[in-house]
Amino acid sequence: SQTIHQWPATLVQPVGSPLSLECTVEGTSNPNLYWYRQAAGRGLQLLFYSVGIGQISSEVPQNLSASRPQDRQFILSSKKLLLSDSGFYLCAWSRPKSSGNTIYFGEGSWLTVV
Amino acid sequence: AQKITQTQPGMFVQEKEAVTLDCTYDTSDPSYGLFWYKQPSSGEMIFLIYQGSYDQQNATEGRYSLNFQKARKSANLVISASQLGDSAMYFCAMNVNTGNQFYFGTGTSLTVIP
Repeated sequence: SQTIHQWPATLVQPVGSPLSLECTVEGTSNPNLYWYRQAAGRGLQLLFYSVGIGQISSEVPQNLSASRPQDRQFILSSKKLLLSDSGFYLCAWSRPKSSGNTIYFGEGSWLTVV
Repeated sequence: AQKITQTQPGMFVQEKEAVTLDCTYDTSDPSYGLFWYKQPSSGEMIFLIYQGSYDQQNATEGRYSLNFQKARKSANLVISASQLGDSAMYFCAMNVNTGNQFYFGTGTSLTVIP
């Protein structure tokens, strides 16, 4: 069976510090990978998605970046965090393009920028 | 462009009663999938149910059923015999056959009253 894991689960970072959130998927190959952000009490905002190694599509221009160094690894980074970066970050995966392919989420990472 | 709309920010239901959470969608793609997710206060996103655009019958999964009305472009979630553990945020989502993205509504907060 497939599993998705992301870490760290929670972190408190000062403004201007770097960020690295990691996500790995097991039990499948060539998945589509996604990073979403959810502000408190709000819906999901798609930040990045990737259909393959080194292929990153950015949905929202900002100070965040994503990388996919391996097939089942997806990393969300920032060189300098802003207060507005606080939120709940969700990594997700789905099988390649086709309707009916469910998207599955990791446990989420709570980021507080202080 | 694809769009998902959830017009009920919050809903209340008595325990053991049924409740319907509304979702409408917009797409010009004839092949698409519709999904519902539950997000309890812990933050994890739990997949509940899926409906394909070509499916002839409404999807059901235990106490969850999806009332799919294609002409109206609606995909309402029906939860029967509500339980206290059903209290959570519920998100409707869609993907289309021609793309890799999943589109989410803004969510409905459901509270089950004892």
